[in-house]
Amino acid sequence: GQNIDQPTEMTATEGAIVQINCTYQTSGFNGLFWYQQHAGEAPTFLSYNVLDGLEEKGRFSSFLSRSKGYSYLLLKELQMKDSASYLCAVRGPTGGGNKLTFGTGTQLKVEL
Amino acid sequence: GAGVSQSPSNKVTEKGKDVELRCDPISGHTALYWYRQSLGQGLEFLIYFQGNSAPDKSGLPSDRFSAERTGGSVSTLTIQRTQQEDSAVYLCASSLRELAKNIQYFGAGTRLSVL
Repeated sequence: GQNIDQPTEMTATEGAIVQINCTYQTSGFNGLFWYQQHAGEAPTFLSYNVLDGLEEKGRFSSFLSRSKGYSYLLLKELQMKDSASYLCAVRGPTGGGNKLTFGTGTQLKVEL
Repeated sequence: GAGVSQSPSNKVTEKGKDVELRCDPISGHTALYWYRQSLGQGLEFLIYFQGNSAPDKSGLPSDRFSAERTGGSVSTLTIQRTQQEDSAVYLCASSLRELAKNIQYFGAGTRLSVL
């Protein structure tokens, strides 16, 4: 099975940089996803990593180390609208379907 | 284009009643998923449909839960004899299987409250 761990809550200041960590233990790995979810809304896709290294997309970057079972999401130039829950999810092995196993999410609060 | 649509957005029911939740996936998406999000819990996989293949029902918590997908498009999740522990947000997602990333796009969910 899969086990995903991420911090429950984080607080950061507008304009700053924040790093949200995710560790996983898995019986198979076929990609890691980060989603953003504002309260009462649909989770929206942010990033995807399947190979080791950093993927950058504007203010958001995501890093993966498969050997360490570790990923992080980096948010730069924080804005108030970035206050949301950030969900780390792992896709199981090829042939096991495309179902995702999610962590409980990290609630990020951006303050002035 | 339209995203994943779910209805109703909110549903309040009495314990023991049956409920049906509906999902309209993004047009052309071959794969459809149901997840459940309970307070303080991560999204929990329930069931997965891919084209005409037999669905993966491995996440359904009990035989009170069932789902179908008609014509490869709309899906209905049915919960029979609802219990209070069924109270949660039920999320539907769809994806294009052919793409390597296979990104799942989510609807806003149905918030189910069982009294």
